[in-house]
Amino acid sequence: NAGVMQNPRHLVRRRGQEARLRCSPMKGHSHVYWYRQLPEEGLKFMVYLQKENIIDESGMPKERFSAEFPKEGPSILRIQQVVRGDSAAYFCASSGQGAREQYFGPGTRLTVT
Amino acid sequence: SQQGEEDPQALSIQEGENATMNCSYKTSINNLQWYRQNSGRGLVHLILIRSNEREKHSGRLRVTLDTSKKSSSLLITASRAADTASYFCATDASPSGNTGKLIFGQGTTLQVKP
Repeated sequence: NAGVMQNPRHLVRRRGQEARLRCSPMKGHSHVYWYRQLPEEGLKFMVYLQKENIIDESGMPKERFSAEFPKEGPSILRIQQVVRGDSAAYFCASSGQGAREQYFGPGTRLTVT
Repeated sequence: SQQGEEDPQALSIQEGENATMNCSYKTSINNLQWYRQNSGRGLVHLILIRSNEREKHSGRLRVTLDTSKKSSSLLITASRAADTASYFCATDASPSGNTGKLIFGQGTTLQVKP
C-alpha cells in the first residue's frame, strides 16, 4: 500500500511565477490536509479537503493561494505570483474516514528566487 | 499562540540513554499525537493517546498524558543514533478532536551521539 505521494519533491520558481504542488493520498483515504513548514519551525495548518469539497481553509493566506481535491486525480495546492516569503516545505497528509491519525507525504520544498 | 509547546527545544544525549520530551497545550483535547521528522523528510506518526488514557507504550516509546496539567511527555528508552530527529506533539484544533486541523508545537530536536 503506497504511502502519501507528493510531487515534485523540489520546486524552484522565480518571483511572480506560479507554483503547483501535487498530493496523492494513501489508497482508501478521502481526507487531505496541507501544511506549511518554515525553516526551524513546526508545521502550520493550511487547508483540509475532501473529494470536491473544501472543509476548512482557515490557514490559507487570503490571496494567491488555492487548493482543490477533484473527484479524479491528486489534490493540488496552487500558489500564484510567488514571493520569497513563500519559500518553505509544503506537506500533504491524508486520513481515512473517522480516523484521527494523519499520514504525511515527504513534502515539496519550494524555493523562490 | 501555539496549542502545543515542546520543551526542551533541543536535546543531546549518548546512545543508550533515555530521552524525555515534554509538550504542553492550552485547551481541552480529545487526543494528542506525537510525530517524528527526520531532517529534510516528512513526518512519521508515532503514537496517539486519547484524553481518557494516562499512559501508552509502543516499543521503546512511552507517552504519558496529564489532562489536569495539560501536558504530555514522550520517553524514548535505550536511544539509538537512528532516533536523531525532531519530535512534535500535535492536537486537534477542537476539543472534540474531529476537525482534522492539527496544531503542532515547535518541536524538540533530539541528537543521539553514537
